[in-house]
Amino acid sequence: NAGVTQTPKFRILKIGQSMTLQCTQDMNHNYMYWYRQDPGMGLKLIYYSVGAGITDKGEVPNGYNVSRSTTEDFPLRLELAAPSQTSVYFCASSYQGGEYVDTQYFGPGTRLTVL
Amino acid sequence: GDSVTQMEGPVTLSEEAFLTINCTYTATGYPSLFWYVQYPGEGLQLLLKATKADDKGSNKGFEATYRKETTSFHLEKGSVQVSDSAVYFCALSTPGKLIFGAGTRLAVHP
Repeated sequence: NAGVTQTPKFRILKIGQSMTLQCTQDMNHNYMYWYRQDPGMGLKLIYYSVGAGITDKGEVPNGYNVSRSTTEDFPLRLELAAPSQTSVYFCASSYQGGEYVDTQYFGPGTRLTVL
Repeated sequence: GDSVTQMEGPVTLSEEAFLTINCTYTATGYPSLFWYVQYPGEGLQLLLKATKADDKGSNKGFEATYRKETTSFHLEKGSVQVSDSAVYFCALSTPGKLIFGAGTRLAVHP
């Protein structure tokens, strides 16, 4: 049981390039999330998904896209990278059986630098 | 809307000192409350949680009690260690997602 895995661990992009951050969970969780964490700051929710085929915007969705074709995978796509997207990106998942979200499990993060 | 407010850091303590990190919340309904910890270079890990009023969550010597009357969930530890140096996040559950506080950095010196 690997939990939540993310790839790559580190990446440097040039302005205008695109990339996909991968996230996979093996806990059969229905909910998955993408956060960004800027240096010395808290977490900001980018997008989340309540199940395969369903996604919704979080607090800071501009410049990103997501898809959820399977329960396990929740990739985050950056189109036309900008220096403002330099950050550490965390994927998380949780199981929600009732109305409120339960414990979220986090991946180790992807450190992205846009130059 | 729902929100979480944490005391600002950094908090700097000597080893074996008593720790309190304040957390208050605003919420409708009956959320669960969480403390997460982030060690340098790592993702967030659940430290403890409480699911209803007056519940006490505890783990690794840390404790927090869900106080509905004061809308608080303060984190405490009786004797901190250097290895407790990390950033601590308070969070509450809402329909669909968790809401996190800004985080409090703790530095423990020998």
